[in-house]
Amino acid sequence: GQGVEQPDNLMSVEGTFARVNCTYSTSGFNGLSWYQQREGHAPVFLSYVVLDGLKDSGHFSTFLSRSNGYSYLLLTELQIKDSASYLCAVKMPNYNVLYFGSGTKLTVEP
Amino acid sequence: NAGVIQTPRHKVTGKGQEATLWCEPISGHSAVFWYRQTIVQGLEFLTYFRNQAPIDDSGMPKERFSAQMPNQSHSTLKIQSTQPQDSAVYLCASSGRDWGNQDTQYFGPGTRLLVL
Repeated sequence: GQGVEQPDNLMSVEGTFARVNCTYSTSGFNGLSWYQQREGHAPVFLSYVVLDGLKDSGHFSTFLSRSNGYSYLLLTELQIKDSASYLCAVKMPNYNVLYFGSGTKLTVEP
Repeated sequence: NAGVIQTPRHKVTGKGQEATLWCEPISGHSAVFWYRQTIVQGLEFLTYFRNQAPIDDSGMPKERFSAQMPNQSHSTLKIQSTQPQDSAVYLCASSGRDWGNQDTQYFGPGTRLLVL
């Protein structure tokens, strides 16, 4: 919603990797955050990026290309417990309000 | 640190009744945000306070919804004359100046509102 787009679903296999994509076309940009949300629980903050390039944080890494309005969250060495929804959110310059995508539901299979 | 606290966790109201939702931000955080989450619309921004002052309520339905922050330890979201389409999970988040001035928002568990 509000110019932030994510695929609805993604499936991958335990031990491999998954890349969750996010594209945005918002009127402003002051950074992008990634959250993990499990069914019936609140979003949990994972990462924040504001500079172009790859930010390696171990199990979770994030990439940003501001000129292309594109980011991805990369999960490596997947575990079954990584199955969850992953939300990207663009932080707007006006008082740091977050505009969320609809989330990608990641299913990790054995 | 208990994190953001929201009460009640679940609320069921009849159409036309009033619903008040409570949020206690993380101690020391200066900003409080309210969001609404539904399957159809996803997570939508409603309103935002900083240092108790209302800053941006551009996401709030202009009728029937109001939010207040009477002190730094709690905020309320009130829905008057509730309608079935108000059924959603209402999430509160708070933020404070962390390293790099990221203003990371930390979410509470949400209040699941069901209007019958």
